[in-house]
Amino acid sequence: GENVEQHPSTLSVQEGDSAVIKCTYSDSASNYFPWYKQELGKGPQLIIDIRSNVGEKKDQRIAVTLNKTAKHFSLHITETQPEDSAVYFCATTDSWGKLQFGAGTQVVVTP
Amino acid sequence: NAGVTQTPKFRILKIGQSMTLQCTQDMNHNYMYWYRQDPGMGLKLIYYSVGAGITDKGEVPNGYNVSRSTTEDFPLRLELAAPSQTSVYFCASSWTGEATEAFFGQGTRLTVV
Repeated sequence: GENVEQHPSTLSVQEGDSAVIKCTYSDSASNYFPWYKQELGKGPQLIIDIRSNVGEKKDQRIAVTLNKTAKHFSLHITETQPEDSAVYFCATTDSWGKLQFGAGTQVVVTP
Repeated sequence: NAGVTQTPKFRILKIGQSMTLQCTQDMNHNYMYWYRQDPGMGLKLIYYSVGAGITDKGEVPNGYNVSRSTTEDFPLRLELAAPSQTSVYFCASSWTGEATEAFFGQGTRLTVV
């Protein structure tokens, strides 16, 4: 099955700095790459996604880039704020929509 | 809209007991999923369903069973609970399978002692 590796496992950034989380995947047929944010005690929530026909997508302070040749995609958060502190998961889906998640990145934004 | 609702939020089971985790969604989604989340790990798919009456195994189905008699409900049954089933369980739903947002419930924290 699909294998999704995510790095780093923890990330501490100063408020206002940028955060980058990277993921690699193994299934070349994957064509949908969502990112989920999980706040403490809650279920994951989609924050941004990208499809394989697009190389980059941006939504305010967050952006995702995709390199299908290298099979990796990254989440970029600029001007980080305390409310960005959470666990972030990358994922890929197969044709049935089964999400294969990375292990997660704990992001801590310090004032 | 309530979205995806899971009950209970917390439960402690003794080894060998059984229980059903309830999940219901009010978005008329066809696809529903059960995941488990262990500390420091991502979410692992237990079972999924693409519509009423259709279910299939995910990555870690052993020790669990599901049914999907209606579009709205997708209960997860644990038979003969074991300590290895201590985890946080998330139910999710999506309109279709491929390339669509999955909506998650708040989770059920289960401890087996």
